[in-house]
Amino acid sequence: NAGVTQTPKFRVLKTGQSMTLLCAQDMNHEYMYWYRQDPGMGLRLIHYSVGEGTTAKGEVPDGYNVSRLKKQNFLLGLESAAPSQTSVYFCASSRGTAQETQYFGPGTRLLVL
Amino acid sequence: SQQGEEDPQALSIQEGENATMNCSYKTSINNLQWYRQNSGRGLVHLILIRSNEREKHSGRLRVTLDTSKKSSSLLITASRAADTASYFCATEGGYALNFGKGTSLLVTP
Repeated sequence: NAGVTQTPKFRVLKTGQSMTLLCAQDMNHEYMYWYRQDPGMGLRLIHYSVGEGTTAKGEVPDGYNVSRLKKQNFLLGLESAAPSQTSVYFCASSRGTAQETQYFGPGTRLLVL
Repeated sequence: SQQGEEDPQALSIQEGENATMNCSYKTSINNLQWYRQNSGRGLVHLILIRSNEREKHSGRLRVTLDTSKKSSSLLITASRAADTASYFCATEGGYALNFGKGTSLLVTP
């Protein structure tokens, strides 16, 4: 099992460009999450999904959109990238609610110039 | 919002020593989890302790939970250089987890 995978690993964008980050999990988990990690800030939840076809906003959703068309995939989109979105993005999945263990991907490092 | 807060922010010890890091949180919980993050990698789950448990062990890890003080501690015994990482506590926040800012542990040979 690959667990949770993320593509790409690293990307440089210019301000105003768009991109999609892909997260895939092969553990048949219902819940999936997108976090961003910035120095000194810990992890902050962007969006999450409690099942195929569902999405919900987290703590810092502005400037991002998500889709969960298939149970195994959770996409994070940036429609018009801003320098403030420079960060490391982590995807995670879990079998159930926040009382379950979360399994993290390796991260995507994004630099917006 | 980040409910858990780790202390200290950074810790430097020598191999063989024990490392203790603490987590304080604000509201009642059903469980608390600890995660490790090696530099440039994703978080890895270490241990989950439920609100009705006071102590839990996993290998060289010992976690305690004091719900009356709303605090938890993670003890790593006989530290190794490979334990160098950031350690995060996480508490429930609705459907997701709230992570603290982490303790950065450096273990020198």
